Amino acid sequence: DAKTTQPPSMDCAEGRAANLPCNHSTISGNEYVYWYRQIHSQGPQYIIHGLKNNETNEMASLIITEDRKSSTLILPHATLRDTAVYYCIVSGGGADGLTFGKGTHLIIQP
Amino acid sequence: EPEVTQTPSHQVTQMGQEVILRCVPISNHLYFYWYRQILGQKVEFLVSFYNNEISEKSEIFDDQFSVERPDGSNFTLKIRSTKLEDSAMYFCASSVTGFYSNQPQHFGDGTRLSIL
Repeated sequence: DAKTTQPPSMDCAEGRAANLPCNHSTISGNEYVYWYRQIHSQGPQYIIHGLKNNETNEMASLIITEDRKSSTLILPHATLRDTAVYYCIVSGGGADGLTFGKGTHLIIQP
Repeated sequence: EPEVTQTPSHQVTQMGQEVILRCVPISNHLYFYWYRQILGQKVEFLVSFYNNEISEKSEIFDDQFSVERPDGSNFTLKIRSTKLEDSAMYFCASSVTGFYSNQPQHFGDGTRLSIL
């Protein structure tokens, strides 16, 4: 079973910041938080990952709480093309298979 | 940007037949994976492969399944004697290197397998 909890769905207005929460209260010290998204039935697309520091790349920002029990993915200026299912996954990396939950279905409204 | 490519995009096979799904991972990646997603359900891990050996496999990956890296570029998933319940999207993924590396897995766009 997935070690993360996410809301099943969220709405966000186009052009606004989308903030997607994730709880991972049982995360281990060597596990990273990864975020992926899946548009329709395409392959999961990697977005960002982090261990304990906040991270930012060209797609998104990742905010991890100090106790590492939760995190937030931020899409700074959401567009209609950001409508997708977003998955928060904790993993130790290496040869570990990723355990996907049901994710959050983010719908960007025009 | 380099990407994982999968062929064919859609495969239709009669029940009981063997099928081979093909993947070309990103060229400098050393870890390879297969996942499946039954319509409307979660993405499920099947198997990981490193240094020409299976590193990890799930309960789904039984004797019906096998994986191979036949040459320096391809990674294949073979399903022997397919069943109706094997109908799903099959995703290949790859990641860079290092057993305790935190490098992310990158996915292809999948092969839709339909068993008739």
